[in-house]
Amino acid sequence: QVQLVQSGAEVKKPGASVKVSCKVSGYTLTELSMHWVRQPPGKGLEWMGSFDPEHGETIYAQRFQGRVTMTEDTSTDTAYMDLRSLRSEDTAVYYCATAYGDYRGFDYWGQGTLVTVSS
Amino acid sequence: DIQMTQSPSSLSASVGDRVTITCRASQAISNYLAWFQQKPGKAPKSLIYAASSLQSGVPSKFSGSGSGTDFTLTISSLQPEDFATYYCQQYNGYPYTFGQGTKLEIK
Repeated sequence: QVQLVQSGAEVKKPGASVKVSCKVSGYTLTELSMHWVRQPPGKGLEWMGSFDPEHGETIYAQRFQGRVTMTEDTSTDTAYMDLRSLRSEDTAVYYCATAYGDYRGFDYWGQGTLVTVSS
Repeated sequence: DIQMTQSPSSLSASVGDRVTITCRASQAISNYLAWFQQKPGKAPKSLIYAASSLQSGVPSKFSGSGSGTDFTLTISSLQPEDFATYYCQQYNGYPYTFGQGTKLEIK
């Protein structure tokens, strides 16, 4: 069984950066492919990006291109999502998600990390 | 981008009812369709993958069907714990996209 535990809530000022972590247990990160999804307060789910093992690269949603970087530390089985140049519209709960087997699956989710952007 | 449109956006039903939620893709996605349940303040929970395959541990009262562009999620014999928001998601191609959600409320 895969478990994902995310870092705690963050409050950031506009223009700052935030780095959210997602610690994997039950499997190693090399056996999984990580996705990141966000959800603004009271709104729906928005895909941000995923690691695609078939192409060996991370695919980002167009609207975050240049502002987001998703990385992995296989020595600690921890994935990271770094979002820069924050604006108020980035206030949201950020989730990591993954699956074992089909790299496109979103079978397991972290508990979410609330990022609040406010001056 | 593939647009995912769910209907209805909200639905009122009673305990014991059977309900169906529809998800339509703007272009064919084969069976690369997942359904999620989300309760307030909680992370989404995977219910269905590959349009009709039930996730391990999910009760058989949940069922999915469809292929191509039209998909349904059916929940039979509603119980209080089933009242939540449901999302469909396509993973046929990038960018992965979600439906806007269907809020299932108690009548």
